[in-house]
Amino acid sequence: EPEVTQTPSHQVTQMGQEVILRCVPISNHLYFYWYRQILGQKVEFLVSFYNNEISEKSEIFDDQFSVERPDGSNFTLKIRSTKLEDSAMYFCASSEAWVGNNSPLHFGNGTRLTVT
Amino acid sequence: KNEVEQSPQNLTAQEGEFITINCSYSVGISALHWLQQHPGGGIVSLFMLSSGKKKHGRLIATINIQEKHSSLHITASHPRDSAVYICAGLSYSGAGSYQLTFGKGTKLSVIP
Repeated sequence: EPEVTQTPSHQVTQMGQEVILRCVPISNHLYFYWYRQILGQKVEFLVSFYNNEISEKSEIFDDQFSVERPDGSNFTLKIRSTKLEDSAMYFCASSEAWVGNNSPLHFGNGTRLTVT
Repeated sequence: KNEVEQSPQNLTAQEGEFITINCSYSVGISALHWLQQHPGGGIVSLFMLSSGKKKHGRLIATINIQEKHSSLHITASHPRDSAVYICAGLSYSGAGSYQLTFGKGTKLSVIP
């Protein structure tokens, strides 16, 4: 069964550094999402992406964050200048149709980001 | 503000027991996703439902729209069912946008 893949599985970075988290969504999916989960807390929505542009973003997704689909297969999340509070598990997800149409989400295994 | 509340937070069961996890949600949520988060952190979508009942193997999900309540049932539980089960509500946030609001999750441990 096709799956969403994320790399790396664990990323350690120093505060102030830029990080890029990578995701390869399922190939025929059109909608892409990033979520994060701070340790011990709820999963939170960051951003959704369709047709090469952001369709929605949360308050968490400030100017330090950006997303890109550089080559038609990868979907990346960049954090420009990491802060300690960015330490979390970051999940990429994709769906065939818009989640508002009750299309199921397919999640990757996550990237654990540790900012020191 | 949309909210999703799950109960219980933690649940320990003996292998073979019938398990129920509950989810209550606020007005504005039109559909629910049930997700399973493995001990390693990965998330798997189990069900998405906006009415009635769905069944997949030993898992059953129900939703009562009037009461704004959903339940996830596991029959003949097995240690491999041990995971965190998360309920997430889908709501319309305006201008054609939808968002998922996640519950805190229910940590299930099934003991042999």
